[in-house]
Amino acid sequence: QEQLVESGGGVVQPGRSLRLSCAGSGFTFSSYGMHWVRQAPGKGLEWVAFVTYDGSRQQYVDSVKGRFTISRDNSKNTLYLQMNSLRPEDTAVYYCAKETPFSGSYPFHIWGQGTMVTVSS
Amino acid sequence: QSVLTQPPSVSGAPGQRVSISCTGSSSNIGAGHDVHWYQQVPGTAPKLLIYGNNNRPSGVPDRFSGSKSGTSASLAISGLQAEDEADYYCQSYDSSLSGWVFGGGTKLTAL
Repeated sequence: QEQLVESGGGVVQPGRSLRLSCAGSGFTFSSYGMHWVRQAPGKGLEWVAFVTYDGSRQQYVDSVKGRFTISRDNSKNTLYLQMNSLRPEDTAVYYCAKETPFSGSYPFHIWGQGTMVTVSS
Repeated sequence: QSVLTQPPSVSGAPGQRVSISCTGSSSNIGAGHDVHWYQQVPGTAPKLLIYGNNNRPSGVPDRFSGSKSGTSASLAISGLQAEDEADYYCQSYDSSLSGWVFGGGTKLTAL
């Protein structure tokens, strides 16, 4: 079945960098747009970034523009989120999600289990 | 606060019908962008519940239904069950922000 598995989370000091990975399986990874969504402790969901199926276009929430970079390697069925200049407010569980077209609608259909990122000195 | 507004909490007795509202604006729901709904049991990943305003993915019980009108949307749950206790989020796209947006989430309690 379709599955996404995130990795790369951990504890990092403010100002440092971290790269998250999301491995896809059970579907043709290179055919679908992919998102990163985060959830701060006790808070709601926040969309972070999107990349098209071929990696040609990216979109970001304003709070991470210039600091985070979303990318993908379709030969490895893997999505990435490079996070630089991390701030305490970036502390959250980070989920990757697969966008599936359903009759012209594009919901976040498949989600990974999440990986925790803690930014603290 | 969130671009899409949801009530923080709703509750109902088992067997009852409850609804959760999601209020947006002319740049998201009112612009014609689809509304999707997700269910999240605490400690687990979100699960797609309703897509394209009023469609259920395979495996989602027909007790769950969605609707959309103007700048708002609504999720209805009929025949409430204890297992429906979870957090529920609406989601759409915002043309002004050029990005996807979520509601703040609603905690559903089965009394």
